[in-house]
Amino acid sequence: NAGVTQTPKFQVLKTGQSMTLQCAQDMNHEYMSWYRQDPGMGLRLIHYSVGAGITDQGEVPNGYNVSRSTTEDFPLRLLSAAPSQTSVYFCASSYSLPTQGLVTDTQYFGPGTRLTVL
Amino acid sequence: EDKVVQSPLSLVVHEGDTVTLNCSYEVTNFRSLLWYKQEKKAPTFLFMLTSSGIEKKSGRLSSILDKKELFSILNITATQTGDSAIYLCAVGHRGSTLGRLYFGRGTQLTVWP
Repeated sequence: NAGVTQTPKFQVLKTGQSMTLQCAQDMNHEYMSWYRQDPGMGLRLIHYSVGAGITDQGEVPNGYNVSRSTTEDFPLRLLSAAPSQTSVYFCASSYSLPTQGLVTDTQYFGPGTRLTVL
Repeated sequence: EDKVVQSPLSLVVHEGDTVTLNCSYEVTNFRSLLWYKQEKKAPTFLFMLTSSGIEKKSGRLSSILDKKELFSILNITATQTGDSAIYLCAVGHRGSTLGRLYFGRGTQLTVWP
């Protein structure tokens, strides 16, 4: 298993450009999420998904869109990049505990994408 | 407002020292507390704690949860330079199938040889 993969690893954008950060997992996990990490700020949740076709907003969703057409993929779209979106972005996934009907809190993270917006 | 607070924010020690990292939380409907280690890349899972007073151990690392006082500690004994990393604390939210985590800001640990 490759686990959680993210592309690209690095990206530089100009203000106003749009782009999509890719995230894929091959563990058949239902739950996927996107975080951003800024120095001294820990990880902040942008958007998450509990399954194909279902997404919701996290703590800092403005300026980002997501969709979940398959279990494996969860792309994050920046609609019009701004310097405030310069950050490291992590995708994560986790699975359900069928006997309890809950998603385990242990999340598996991808390697991250370092984004710079000029 | 839910909150996860870690202390200290940074710590510098020498090899062989023992360190204690703290995590306090104010989260409604608490379910679990997790510790992650992050070394210049993705966070890697260390421990998940759900019950008070039960210590989890892995080699030189150990952690315990106090649900009454709403905190957890992560202990590292006989530190090594390879322990240098950011240690993140996160709290999981009960009453939902969403598996949502609330993260603290992390403790930056530096271990000098």
